[in-house]
Amino acid sequence: AQSVAQPEDQVNVAEGNPLTVKCTYSVSGNPYLFWYVQYPNRGLQFLLKYITGDNLVKGSYGFEAEFNKSQTSFHLKKPSALVSDSALYFCAVRDMRGGATNKLIFGTGTLLAVQP
Amino acid sequence: ETGVTQTPRHLVMGMTNKKSLKCEQHLGHNAMYWYKQSAKKPLELMFVYSLEERVENNSVPSRFSPECPNSSHLFLHLHTLQPEDSALYLCASSQDWGGRTDTQYFGPGTRLTVL
Repeated sequence: AQSVAQPEDQVNVAEGNPLTVKCTYSVSGNPYLFWYVQYPNRGLQFLLKYITGDNLVKGSYGFEAEFNKSQTSFHLKKPSALVSDSALYFCAVRDMRGGATNKLIFGTGTLLAVQP
Repeated sequence: ETGVTQTPRHLVMGMTNKKSLKCEQHLGHNAMYWYKQSAKKPLELMFVYSLEERVENNSVPSRFSPECPNSSHLFLHLHTLQPEDSALYLCASSQDWGGRTDTQYFGPGTRLTVL
């Protein structure tokens, strides 16, 4: 089955501390993985994606994600959290069923709360 | 901003009303999408248009009717909706429908409330 899981509904971190938002996936074949962020009353903003190559992907706003094939994970990380990073984060994987399409399977989202 | 705009940003309608949501992308993309975002649920893909042709329709009730007059504009026509249709409706676009590595770019959404 093609799926993506975000095991934590909410992550709390103090400003200045490192943060990790977890994502695991299940797909057939090579995965194409994405992270998006959603601020209150806004749409989803693209942060980064993994297609192939280096397992550490760098994205917008200082975020990065580490692809781990053996653990089927794609965790989002940032070395030093900001209060302004507080938002809802979505992991997504390309749905590989049905041929070559751009269909994404989204996780249920993780709310990141950064305390000052 | 992402280059994808949506109007209106907020909409309140009765169950017997007819209204339309509009999406416009300024990115030169060939594929456009409608998603429904409800609380505590994953994003639901509703419709996909590629080069103005509908290529995906995920068992969406007929009270939702999409229209794509050209590759830059996408509409979602609403009629006789139910209260459970209240949600955030997101539009997105990508370079192509068949590009597996393409990124989807989202608009700000329309917050719909059905009374």
